Amino acid sequence: EAGVAQSPRYKIIEKRQSVAFWCNPISGHATLYWYQQILGQGPKLLIQFQNNGVVDDSQLPKDRFSAERLKGVDSTLKIQPAKLEDSAVYLCASSLDLIPTDTQYFGPGTRLTVL
Amino acid sequence: RKEVEQDPGPFNVPEGATVAFNCTYSNSASQSFFWYRQDCRKEPKLLMSVYSSGNEDGRFTAQLNRASQYISLLIRDSKLSDSATYLCVVNITSGAGSYQLTFGKGTKLSVIP
Repeated sequence: EAGVAQSPRYKIIEKRQSVAFWCNPISGHATLYWYQQILGQGPKLLIQFQNNGVVDDSQLPKDRFSAERLKGVDSTLKIQPAKLEDSAVYLCASSLDLIPTDTQYFGPGTRLTVL
Repeated sequence: RKEVEQDPGPFNVPEGATVAFNCTYSNSASQSFFWYRQDCRKEPKLLMSVYSSGNEDGRFTAQLNRASQYISLLIRDSKLSDSATYLCVVNITSGAGSYQLTFGKGTKLSVIP
């Protein structure tokens, strides 16, 4: 079974530029998550989708971050404009449904460096 | 107080040693509990869920004490391949009425030959 796919794997940009990340979850998984992992920290949830609807985006900095999952399958996360403190690994995860015991499967992540 | 707190690392242990990781969580309404493993520059992967009765998977034993809001992971007979960062994870009901995983900072384990 194919895992969660993410691209690009690495991205280097200058501050104030824009960047977009793409995620394709495991086939059949209704729930999709975006996390930010800063070096030395655990992943922090940014937003979660159930099919094509947003369930929780309370920790998403909405002045610069946006995400969509228009057809309820793949998703994009955008940062515009980027700041130095956005340097992190952006992880996408998916699970079958929105149940507390469902396992979340993570993609390999996109490592963003903002100069 | 942080929502999920873990032992500060790193832990450097010889092969064959037993090592224990501890974790505390602040939200008494937390629903479910996990240990994830994250290798260097890789994504987190579920190691095991943690149940109130305690559970074991080979050399790994996880325990949960809801009254003390405390979670532990014991690794017996450490192998070189156990070297990784171990993340304590708690599933908490979010303000939006959903559930979200909250991760600790992780504890780095290095098993030395």
